[in-house]
Amino acid sequence: GAVVSQHPSRVICKSGTSVKIECRSLDFQATTMFWYRQFPKKSLMLMATSNEGSKATYEQGVEKDKFLINHASLTLSTLTVTSAHPEDSSFYICSARDRGRADTQYFGPGTRLTVL
Amino acid sequence: AQSVTQLDSQVPVFEEAPVELRCNYSSSVSVYLFWYVQYPNQGLQLLLKYLSGSTLVKGINGFEAEFNKSQTSFHLRKPSVHISDTAEYFCAVKGGSYIPTFGRGTSLIVHP
Repeated sequence: GAVVSQHPSRVICKSGTSVKIECRSLDFQATTMFWYRQFPKKSLMLMATSNEGSKATYEQGVEKDKFLINHASLTLSTLTVTSAHPEDSSFYICSARDRGRADTQYFGPGTRLTVL
Repeated sequence: AQSVTQLDSQVPVFEEAPVELRCNYSSSVSVYLFWYVQYPNQGLQLLLKYLSGSTLVKGINGFEAEFNKSQTSFHLRKPSVHISDTAEYFCAVKGGSYIPTFGRGTSLIVHP
C-alpha cells in the first residue's frame, strides 16, 4: 500500500527555536497533503491543507505565521513550527492524498514535538 | 456540513470476545466512510472504507463494518479480538467537502 514517511519521528527543542518536520509520499504523487495536530486522548485537529505549488489553506484559529507549510513538490511537504513554545508540544501527523486515488488519505507515522 | 460521533470513548473487552465500535455520522450529501486504527505513538492506518456498493465492508486484521444509511451509522465489528487489537480507532466521514471529518476516537482495550 501507499507509504508516507515523516522525519523526524521525535524532536526536542528549546523554547524560541524553530523546528521543521518533513512529510514525504514514498511511492505515489500527492497533489494534496494535510497537516494534523493531535492532543493526548483527542481526535485529530486539521491544521492546514497544502496543494503542490500553491499556498496552504489554514483552518480557523491556526496561525499561518507560526506554522509555515511548504509543498514544494508532489512528494514533499514541510511544516515549520517557528519560535516554538511549550504549548506547541504535540503529536503532528501528516497525510497525503494519492493523485490517482482521491478517495483515500494515507497517514504518516507522526512526529512527537516536545518544546522545553 | 458533516460530522461524526463516536459514542464510546473507551471500550474494554476480554480477549477472544466480539467487539463493536459505534460510529454515527451526519451529512447532507452522499458520503464516503472510513475507519482508521492508531497504535501508540504511531500515525493512522486505514482499516477499511465504504465508497459505494455492498454495505458490508471487510477490512484488514479481521475487522468489518456495515454502512446503514437509514440509521446513518457505520459501526466497526470484529468477532474475536486479540491483545494486539488494543489501539485507538477513528471513524471518518467525507461528504461534500473533500476533507474528511474525524470522530474523537474510541480506545479499544483488550484484556487477557
